[in-house]
Amino acid sequence: SQTIHQWPATLVQPVGSPLSLECTVEGTSNPNLYWYRQAAGRGLQLLFYSVGIGQISSEVPQNLSASRPQDRQFILSSKKLLLSDSGFYLCAWSLFGNQPQHFGDGTRLSIL
Amino acid sequence: AQSVTQPDIHITVSEGASLELRCNYSYGATPYLFWYVQSPGQGLQLLLKYFSGDTLVQGIKGFEAEFKRSQSSFNLRKPSVHWSDAAEYFCAVGPPMNRDDKIIFGKGTRLHILP
Repeated sequence: SQTIHQWPATLVQPVGSPLSLECTVEGTSNPNLYWYRQAAGRGLQLLFYSVGIGQISSEVPQNLSASRPQDRQFILSSKKLLLSDSGFYLCAWSLFGNQPQHFGDGTRLSIL
Repeated sequence: AQSVTQPDIHITVSEGASLELRCNYSYGATPYLFWYVQSPGQGLQLLLKYFSGDTLVQGIKGFEAEFKRSQSSFNLRKPSVHWSDAAEYFCAVGPPMNRDDKIIFGKGTRLHILP
């Protein structure tokens, strides 16, 4: 069966520091991969999605970037964090774009 | 443009009472439809999905949803809620004919349970 791992579960970072969040999927090949952010009470905001290695689509301009160095690995990064980057970050995968997405347990990011 | 609306931001029901969470969509054709649940501090879990066929869909945790084409709705129901059902619920829609396009999520409904 397929599983998705996301880490770390929580992270506290100072403003201006770099960020790297990692997500890996097991048990499937060439999944679609997604990064979402949830701000309190604001639902899901799609940040990036990827349909293959090295293929990244950005949904909103921001201080973040994403990379997919391997088929089942998706990384969310920032060179310099802003206070507004605080939130709950979720990684997800699906077989195709219109198929159900399956989510990791999320990373709670707090910026001080 | 495709969209999904969950009209209720918060819903409060008593434990043991029935539940209905509303979801309306705007789409050019009958979309794929999904309901997800998110417990505090957790990721989203798929409750059920509708692709075609029987318009009453059974899901996990005792939930069901009914697709009503005439009302462009896909409401989630449960006959008797438990305190553990307190969570946020998301409706989502996806394009049936284009597997490369993405599903989109509603803004969610937070369910509170009174003891």
